[in-house]
This record gives sequence, structure tokens and C-alpha cells, in this order.
Amino acid sequence: GAGVSQTPSNKVTEKGKYVELRCDPISGHTALYWYRQSLGQGPEFLIYFQGTGAADDSGLPNDRFFAVRPEGSVSTLKIQRTERGDSAVYLCASSLSGGIETQYFGPGTRLLVL
Amino acid sequence: AQTVTQSQPEMSVQEAETVTLSCTYDTSENNYYLFWYKQPPSRQMILVIRQEAYKQQNATENRFSVNFQKAAKSFSLKISDSQLGDTAMYFCAFMRTGNQFYFGTGTSLTVIP
Repeated sequence: GAGVSQTPSNKVTEKGKYVELRCDPISGHTALYWYRQSLGQGPEFLIYFQGTGAADDSGLPNDRFFAVRPEGSVSTLKIQRTERGDSAVYLCASSLSGGIETQYFGPGTRLLVL
Repeated sequence: AQTVTQSQPEMSVQEAETVTLSCTYDTSENNYYLFWYKQPPSRQMILVIRQEAYKQQNATENRFSVNFQKAAKSFSLKISDSQLGDTAMYFCAFMRTGNQFYFGTGTSLTVIP
């Protein structure tokens, strides 16, 4: 089937605006992960969902960041009052059931905050 | 805290030659998993190989193999018979049983024709 997809592929916004980034995992995958990748760095863990619930949100940098997965499939990462430091590529990954299962990554959304 | 270190920001190799990418990590855990991911310019991270810490035997996947030294906390990736399509960023990653991945800063590999 199709891989992990993310929309939009690129997003430009102004400082202080609200943005939503969408992730469509592989069908049937219960585990979903969000990462942030800054320029020249490796991906940094943000949040992990198992089904509809956030099993680990310890990577979210502050309360401006929030993610949901209401039906256990599509997930949305929401960023309020964006700051220039939020500019990065936001990667989504899914795996069949979490744990040591292979994570399959999407192509990411490149967010630029002006 | 877990940390992953990749000390080689950039490397190059001639086509058909062999190259080794280094990775060290720091953890107090005994059970964990190690991974190498490849990220081509398309940005999509692709799993190259993985190793369970409890297995002494080094993992291999076709032209890719690892040298896992648990006591030294070292996990290097060897690419044999390098191909132009191997040109990419390579990330070493550590995962403990809590699902959270920790990635290194990456090594940019260029295969020269």
C-alpha cells in the first residue's frame, strides 16, 4: 500500500501565526511518531501516539505545540504563535504496533517562519 | 540521558569501494536497539539496518553490515561495493524500550563515480 504521506510539503508562515501539519500513516499502523529536524541535525523526537492516545509527549518543546490523532489514523501537529525558531522539517513516521517495529517515515513538511 | 554521536560530518568514497561510518552512543540501559537510517535528498528516511543489543552477532543486509561493540558502545556501518545511489545522509539512531528514538547528527556520504 501507500507509504506515509505528509501535507503540505512546504509551509511558509509569519511569526505569530497558527499552523497545522498533517500526517497520513500507513494503513493499519497503530503507532505514529512526530519528529522535528533542524538544519544540520538529526531528527528530534516530539510525540508518540499508540492508537488515539499520546503515549509519550515528552519531546514537545512547550505548550505552543500540540498534536492529535482523534480516530487513530491521521494525525495533526498544531503549532500556535509560531516563532522563527520553529522553522524546521517536521517528520512523521508510523509503525505497525510500536516498540521495536520498523518506523516508516514520510517525506516531511518544511516549515519556514518569517 | 541517551546520546548518539556521529563524529564524521562528511565522508566520500569511490564507487565500488568500501566505506565505514562511525557511531557511538551513551546509555545506562542494557536492553536497547540500534539503527542506521539513510536520508536521500528527497528527505524520506529509509531504514538501512538494525541491531538488537542482546544479539552478539552483527547484523547484515546485503551490502550493509554493522560492527557492534556493546562494551565500547560503538555501532559502525560498513557499506561494501558502494553505489552512486548510496549518496545520502546517514543517521545512527538508538531506541530503548520506551519507543523514543535518539538520532545522531548524521554523516553526509558522497559516492564518487
